[in-house]
Amino acid sequence: RKEVEQDPGPFNVPEGATVAFNCTYSNSASQSFFWYRQDCRKEPKLLMSVYSSGNEDGRFTAQLNRASQYISLLIRDSKLSDSATYLCPPFSGGYNKLIFGAGTRLAVHP
Amino acid sequence: NAGVTQTPKFQVLKTGQSMTLQCAQDMNHNSMYWYRQDPGMGLRLIYYSASEGTTDKGEVPNGYNVSRLNKREFSLRLESAAPSQTSVYFCASSESRQSSGNTIYFGEGSWLTVV
Repeated sequence: RKEVEQDPGPFNVPEGATVAFNCTYSNSASQSFFWYRQDCRKEPKLLMSVYSSGNEDGRFTAQLNRASQYISLLIRDSKLSDSATYLCPPFSGGYNKLIFGAGTRLAVHP
Repeated sequence: NAGVTQTPKFQVLKTGQSMTLQCAQDMNHNSMYWYRQDPGMGLRLIYYSASEGTTDKGEVPNGYNVSRLNKREFSLRLESAAPSQTSVYFCASSESRQSSGNTIYFGEGSWLTVV
């Protein structure tokens, strides 16, 4: 089983829509979780960390479900600029060796 | 704010040629990494350096060597390039707290084509 699995998408949504996608991880020892976004032909950048209690940053809400071993990202009021690939590397200890999956592609259209 | 700087940005190599990708960070980070990204494959860790003076293999180290020249610089060398090494290479750095994970900062990437 892959260490992290995501629906590759693409998720095609109109501007203003609410969209959510999940990321499942296989290592129950994973300690920390993150969402990164990667624009086409650009480097990944941290979007937000994911805390046990869940956290919100503007239009973005991240949730962690340890029992089912997945994290989720909810984007409200989608903007064209949200179009990107979203990556969710779990951290399982050691020297910060984040394992990235292929990500979920989001395409927001007018 | 330069962050992580890698060179060159684009390179075309012939099979069998060698080259070195250079990377430098100005954030005083202890840990540095080299990833490659292929279509549909996500980012795969080639090598990493937890601190100055140490290097370790990642998921896909074959065909590569690295040098942690000092705290700022971490280079990746292809000794004999093969078409399978055509990819986008990202250098990255982070602080090195083992217990909780840290934000990884990436360079802008190096597009390498081996013909």
